[in-house]
Amino acid sequence: GQNIDQPTEMTATEGAIVQINCTYQTSGFNGLFWYQQHAGEAPTFLSYNVLDGLEEKGRFSSFLSRSKGYSYLLLKELQMKDSASYLCAPWTSGAGSYQLTFGKGTKLSVIP
Amino acid sequence: GAGVSQSPRYKVAKRGQDVALRCDPISGHVSLFWYQQALGQGPEFLTYFQNEAQLDKSGLPSDRFFAERPEGSVSTLKIQRTQQEDSAVYLCASSFYDRSRNSYEQYFGPGTRLTVT
Repeated sequence: GQNIDQPTEMTATEGAIVQINCTYQTSGFNGLFWYQQHAGEAPTFLSYNVLDGLEEKGRFSSFLSRSKGYSYLLLKELQMKDSASYLCAPWTSGAGSYQLTFGKGTKLSVIP
Repeated sequence: GAGVSQSPRYKVAKRGQDVALRCDPISGHVSLFWYQQALGQGPEFLTYFQNEAQLDKSGLPSDRFFAERPEGSVSTLKIQRTQQEDSAVYLCASSFYDRSRNSYEQYFGPGTRLTVT
């Protein structure tokens, strides 16, 4: 099976930087998605990493190490609207299986 | 352009009723996923389509759940003889592969909140 681990909750201050880690154990790994989900809303696509390294998109960056089964999402210049759950999801395929498996999510609270 | 749409947004069903949930993906998106999300949890994979082919249905919780995408665009998730444990938000997502960047982008619909009483 697939095992995905993220911290359950994090708190950070407005204007600061926060790093949300995700470790995974999967087979047939293709790449990894990060999503943001506000309460009561559908997840919003943030990034997809397939190669090792850091990809930057404005205030959000995502890092992947395939050999270590590790990814992180880096949020800079935190704003109150960044308070949400952040979901890590490896995309795997092989032997008739095509799955995007989500972690339970990290609930980020941004405080003034 | 238009995003992924789902209907109905809310559905209340009496236990034992059949329900049908619809997903309209973004035009041209080959891949389509269905997920079930319980409160406070991440989405749980149900099934995956590539065009009209259902390539993975291993996440469907029982034989009461059935999904189809007959023309490779609109998809329907059908739940027969609904039970209280089926109460959840059902999310649909479509995605495309950008060859030039070797990257996927995946977009979710707003979901259908199903309540079984």
